[in-house]
Amino acid sequence: DTAVSQTPKYLVTQMGNDKSIKCEQNLGHDTMYWYKQDSKKFLKIMFSYNNKELIINETVPNRFSPKSPDKAHLNLHINSLELGDSAVYFCASSHNGLNYGYTFGSGTRLTVV
Amino acid sequence: DAKTTQPTSMDCAEGRAANLPCNHSTISGNEYVYWYRQIHSQGPQYIIHGLKNNETNEMASLIITEDRKSSTLILPHATLRDTAVYYCIVRATQAGTALIFGKGTTLSVSS
Repeated sequence: DTAVSQTPKYLVTQMGNDKSIKCEQNLGHDTMYWYKQDSKKFLKIMFSYNNKELIINETVPNRFSPKSPDKAHLNLHINSLELGDSAVYFCASSHNGLNYGYTFGSGTRLTVV
Repeated sequence: DAKTTQPTSMDCAEGRAANLPCNHSTISGNEYVYWYRQIHSQGPQYIIHGLKNNETNEMASLIITEDRKSSTLILPHATLRDTAVYYCIVRATQAGTALIFGKGTTLSVSS
């Protein structure tokens, strides 16, 4: 079973559309994250949820809205997609505390045309 | 901003040990050092982490200097599948923090 699974794996859409990316973890972790990796390969934290509560909200346009229906799921909804949103989006999860590593999903490659 | 400094790239021959250095001169006393790697087009993969003592697991060894200002990740017998970008990350202790990735070191293992 995949520990952190993201769907879809690939997403091609037109500018102005609204799309969602889903993430699920079966590790029993308390915290989930969304990262964005742009064309220059920099990985940037976007959001983090702990037990369904938003704890990190980096400088991200309001068009991005995370939603966590329960602690095993963290979805990312993006409104009015722009060309600059094209990137690979990674979901991750971890236990609370510093003595644990993160487990990442395999990523969702979003292409806005 | 990342609190670590790593070489941009390194080469290693297959079967030899790969020693990846990392400087973290501003590390605080209760911050951990983490190492992750990202193989092309895949999600980052956790390798190892440590606070003060040297650590070893099935993937690698982590050597942290006594003053904790630098560390070295050692892959004892590098294989072609170890070709990846390796990230050294120092994690802050404040609540609501997350792993901050820098540029990492691109390790190329060749036969």
